[in-house]
Amino acid sequence: EAGVTQSPRYAVLQEGQAVSFWCDPISGHDTLYWYQQPRDQGPQLLVYFRDEAVIDNSQLPSDRFSAVRPKGTNSTLKIQSAKQGDTATYLCASSLEGAAETLYFGSGTRLTVL
Amino acid sequence: AQSVTQPDARVTVSEGASLQLRCKYSYSATPYLFWYVQYPRQGLQLLLKYYSGDPVVQGVNGFEAEFSKSNSSFHLRKASVHWSDSAVYFCAVTLTGYQNFYFGKGTSLTVIP
Repeated sequence: EAGVTQSPRYAVLQEGQAVSFWCDPISGHDTLYWYQQPRDQGPQLLVYFRDEAVIDNSQLPSDRFSAVRPKGTNSTLKIQSAKQGDTATYLCASSLEGAAETLYFGSGTRLTVL
Repeated sequence: AQSVTQPDARVTVSEGASLQLRCKYSYSATPYLFWYVQYPRQGLQLLLKYYSGDPVVQGVNGFEAEFSKSNSSFHLRKASVHWSDSAVYFCAVTLTGYQNFYFGKGTSLTVIP
């Protein structure tokens, strides 16, 4: 069974540039999460979906970040105008519906904003 | 405020020694509790989880954790560590009926051969 796939693995950009991250969850997993993991910190939830619906995006900086999952499978997270403070690893995870189901993580995209 | 605390940012032990990594949580209700491990340049992987019942739960690779309601803790243990256990370990919680997970800041474990 294929795991959670993320691309790209790395991204380096200047402040003000845009970037998109892509995630392909485990087949059949209806819940998909995007986490931001700053260096030497734990993952912090940005947004999560059940199927194509956003369940919680309260921690997503809505002025610059957006996330979609149009068909309830793959998902894209986009930063419109990156800031140095966005430097972090962006992790995608998926799970089956149900309270406290195991999260399965991708390897992440390491973003550096210069 | 709800929180997950891992008080030790870095732990160094010798190969073959025993290990305990600490985790304390602050929630109004008993949460579901997890330990995840992150190897370099990889995503997080589940070690073990606790929902209810026996407070000592067994995980992969000889890890176990003990839930203590009175201490609001969920400490991770291993009787004898191997150099390959070097990684970052995260404690995480979620609440009944929710799917939002909260992670601690992690403990970086270095095992000296």
